[in-house]
Amino acid sequence: DAGVTQSPTHLIKTRGQQVTLRCSPKSGHDTVSWYQQALGQGPQFIFQYYEEEERQRGNFPDRFSGHQFPNYSSELNVNALLLGDSALYLCASSLRDRALGYTFGSGTRLTVV
Amino acid sequence: AQSVSQHNHHVILSEAASLELGCNYSYGGTVNLFWYVQYPGQHLQLLLKYFSGDPLVKGIKGFEAEFIKSKFSFNLRKPSVQWSDTAEYFCAVNSKTSYDKVIFGPGTSLSVIP
Repeated sequence: DAGVTQSPTHLIKTRGQQVTLRCSPKSGHDTVSWYQQALGQGPQFIFQYYEEEERQRGNFPDRFSGHQFPNYSSELNVNALLLGDSALYLCASSLRDRALGYTFGSGTRLTVV
Repeated sequence: AQSVSQHNHHVILSEAASLELGCNYSYGGTVNLFWYVQYPGQHLQLLLKYFSGDPLVKGIKGFEAEFIKSKFSFNLRKPSVQWSDTAEYFCAVNSKTSYDKVIFGPGTSLSVIP
């Protein structure tokens, strides 16, 4: 059990559509980070949320947006999907004190056709 | 620019062989260092971490890593691998000076042959 829950596990979308991915952090964690992992590559940082605000952002276009709710859960939204957005999207939760490291979910596999 | 490189893309070893996976980082300031493992079909798990103190860090399942500041390296080692160590291994780093994002390396795929 990862402690971090992501939904859905798999998703197929058509180019140009919009998608929303969801994440429930590990109990007691207050920070959520989102990563994109293309096949055969390491996770790439998208953004991080703490206290319902985006605190840091990686090198991703504005088509990628997110939200964090008062219960610390989070959503990742991607608009105007491109074929290149096909990847595994990972949610990682942590405490603001990073000493404990990240706990990752199993991810959402997004396929854009 | 902040980056992490890993020396090998794919490593194949026989059971009982020794393992060393190389990792180098480019990052300004003091850092925290991590190794994560992703077993087939499973989520990323923290293998070990270095924050400060003894540069030789011991993790789960007999893994250890050594932080060599002068070489900007954090290599992962295990004296004797098992078939169950077959997995993808990721080195990662973040800045100690702020609540910074964790940057991951490209990963090394380890296959252990029985």
